[in-house]
Amino acid sequence: DIQMTQSPSSLSASVGDRVTITCQASQDISNYLNWYQQKPGKAPKLLIYDASNLETGVPSRFSGSGSGTDFTFTISSLQPEDIATYYCQQYDNLPPAFGQGTKLEIK
Amino acid sequence: EVQLLESGGGLVQPGGSLRLSCAASGFTFSSYAMSWVRQAPGKGLEWVSAISGSGGSTYYADSVKGRFTISRDNSKNTLYLQMNSLRAEDTAVYYCAKGGGLRFLEWFSWAYWGQGTLVTVSS
Repeated sequence: DIQMTQSPSSLSASVGDRVTITCQASQDISNYLNWYQQKPGKAPKLLIYDASNLETGVPSRFSGSGSGTDFTFTISSLQPEDIATYYCQQYDNLPPAFGQGTKLEIK
Repeated sequence: EVQLLESGGGLVQPGGSLRLSCAASGFTFSSYAMSWVRQAPGKGLEWVSAISGSGGSTYYADSVKGRFTISRDNSKNTLYLQMNSLRAEDTAVYYCAKGGGLRFLEWFSWAYWGQGTLVTVSS
């Protein structure tokens, strides 16, 4: 099974800051990598698919990059509504697997 | 508008059974694979099971293989998860999710999720 290692596990930043989360796969997954946002008590929301494509309706301050085993998720200017937990997920191989999550808080 | 509505969660004793349902609308249900994804309280996301659009192919996480059965009724636009021999570690919110496209790998990319239903396994 492919393991997804996400870092950091938690992050505190100020409004307007640039925020970066990394995700590393235990083997090459090409670009079959998604990023989700989950707010408390809510279902996950797909933000980025195929590593770098912005889902329709998602603000352009969110972006993703990478391929192979190393991926990056960036919020260019943190907004108060971005407070959530973020997960990466690979779908190159079964079973599909999530990273352990990054809890983002406002400083 | 795509809508997914789960039901059937509740409190069950260890060793017991429960059947979850997910009513789908707003898309051609039979054309898309569907998955169940769960989240234990305070924990991360875990894929549980998937089924092809026709229902002819099913996939399971090792943690539930042999205990859970995924199925669908395309005439009713409904997805099911039959859960038997439940354990305390199966306690979680269970989400149904719509596969992203027609290619096999896209089945496991989820842009649409239900609101979730809570399953609690406890004596």
